[in-house]
Formats: sequence, structure tokens, C-alpha cells
Amino acid sequence: DAGVTQSPTHLIKTRGQQVTLRCSPKSGHDTVSWYQQALGQGPQFIFQYYEEEERQRGNFPDRFSGHQFPNYSSELNVNALLLGDSALYLCASSPTRFAGNTIYFGEGSWLTVV
Amino acid sequence: QKEVEQNSGPLSVPEGAIASLNCTYSDRGSQSFFWYRQYSGKSPELIMSIYSNGDKEDGRFTAQLNKASQYVSLLIRDSQPSDSATYLCAGARRQLTFGSGTQLTVLP
Repeated sequence: DAGVTQSPTHLIKTRGQQVTLRCSPKSGHDTVSWYQQALGQGPQFIFQYYEEEERQRGNFPDRFSGHQFPNYSSELNVNALLLGDSALYLCASSPTRFAGNTIYFGEGSWLTVV
Repeated sequence: QKEVEQNSGPLSVPEGAIASLNCTYSDRGSQSFFWYRQYSGKSPELIMSIYSNGDKEDGRFTAQLNKASQYVSLLIRDSQPSDSATYLCAGARRQLTFGSGTQLTVLP
């Protein structure tokens, strides 16, 4: 049973570009959340998707957007990249909108903006 | 004030000692709390969850929660070099709110 899978693992982008990160949740999970983890910091909640809609959003600008597909997979899009967007982007899935200790993290996508 | 605060560390303990990690939170609406371990370059891994006041033990790990004091702690007994990692405390209401982590080094 595959866990949460994310792609790509690493990528480098230039300031002003756009990036799309992808996530496939663990089998049986229908809720996907995205977190940004800057170096030396804890993960920061970006948003959560459930039933193909954004259900909650953290304190991130509109440059950050997402999508959830009918198969529960999800994308995170970041437009007009800034140097400060360089971080580890984590996808987390759970079987309900909030399931406490059944939240599973993927291995993350390392984004470097130059 | 950050919603979840942890001692920034780093914390070093000798092998076999007890490592004590602490966390305070400001959101009284948080219902549950979690400790994650994160090895360098890896994603967070859940090691303990606690929902009610008191202690919860799982192997070498003990989590403690005091809602009146808004305080959460993690004790690691018989610390091993493989426990060397960053430990993240998280509170949960509708999503996880993390502290900035405490880096633990267990010295052989």
C-alpha cells in the first residue's frame, strides 16, 4: 500500500516563474493538506482540500493556489515565485477532514528559487 | 506570540540519558497535540499523540499534557544516537499548527 507520494522531489526555479507540485494521497484518504517548511522552521499550513474544494486556508497570499481531482490527488501551484518561497513543501493526507493522529506526510518537494 | 512555542535548542544529552522536550501553546481551542520527529532532509514522522491531561507512555516515549498551563512535553528515556533529530510539537484544532522544533543530539 503506497503512502503519500509527491513529485517532483527537487526542483529549481527562477524568480517570477510558476511551479506546480503534485501529491497522491494514501489509499483510502480523501483529504489533502499542504504545508510549507522553510529551513529551520516548523511546517506552516497552506490549505486543505476535501471533495475537490479548498476548505481551509492558512496565512498565504493568493499566489498560492491548489486543486484536488476526483481521484483525491492534489496540486499546489505557486505563481510569481519569490526567493522566500524556497522551502520544503509537504503534502499530508488523512481519511477525514481532520483525523488527528492518522495524518500522513509525504516525503516532500524541495523547491529552490534562484 | 507564536501559537506553538518550543525551546529552540539545540539540546544535547549523553546516550542512555533522559531527553526532555517542552512546548507551550496559546490556542485554548486546540484539542489534541502531537510530537513529530524529523530527520535531516526527511519529512515529519508522528511519534506520539495526546488528547487529555496527564501522561501517555509508548515504549521509551512519554508525552505529558497540562491544558490548564497550556503545556506539552515529551520525555525520551534511554536516549539513543538514532534519536538525534528535530522534534516538532503540533497542536490541532482543524489543522496542525507546528512549533519551530527542537534539535536533539544524543552523544554516544
